[in-house]
Amino acid sequence: GNSVTQMEGPVTLSEEAFLTINCTYTATGYPSLFWYVQYPGEGLQLLLKATKADDKGSNKGFEATYRKETTSFHLEKGSVQVSDSAVYFCALLPDSNYQLIWGAGTKLIIKP
Amino acid sequence: DGGITQSPKYLFRKEGQNVTLSCEQNLNHDAMYWYRQDPGQGLRLIYYSQIVNDFQKGDIAEGYSVSREKKESFPLTVTSAQKNPTAFYLCASTRLAGGSNEQFFGPGTRLTVL
Repeated sequence: GNSVTQMEGPVTLSEEAFLTINCTYTATGYPSLFWYVQYPGEGLQLLLKATKADDKGSNKGFEATYRKETTSFHLEKGSVQVSDSAVYFCALLPDSNYQLIWGAGTKLIIKP
Repeated sequence: DGGITQSPKYLFRKEGQNVTLSCEQNLNHDAMYWYRQDPGQGLRLIYYSQIVNDFQKGDIAEGYSVSREKKESFPLTVTSAQKNPTAFYLCASTRLAGGSNEQFFGPGTRLTVL
């Protein structure tokens, strides 16, 4: 079946550090992949997405590349800010239906 | 401005009472979803609907009910049969055909049962 595995948090970094949050998936066919972000007490916002292999999604300095050979969609940012502190969710949309498969979320804490 | 609204933001109820959470969207999206989120946890699907007057159970539908009488509205009722209803509830919607296939989320309703 379809599944998403994210690295466990919390991830604690200092401001301006390099960020990687790992996400790997299991799926048949050609799923779309997403990163969502949730700030405290709020709903989720789409951060970036990729719909086919080798696509790179990017937004607000964050990037993730759809790697079919390693079934991964790792989130990266070159220099994090305190305002990036949030929970980040990796998600997969199978090509056979419209139900997102969610990772457990990774809490990111950035210290000044 | 197009978007999804959920009301109220905070809701308190006594144990044994039914409560209805509102979700409205003006994005002309076909599908709508209800998720439950517990502290430090991911999202679990309660119910979803892809068309008016039709809906399907998600992974944790027991103790919940929904209706979809209008395309823009998808209210969720938390019944007294739900054993542990205190949680953060998120509504989402998406366009099914010809769209960007991403789900858009409302701001959430935090339900506390006393």
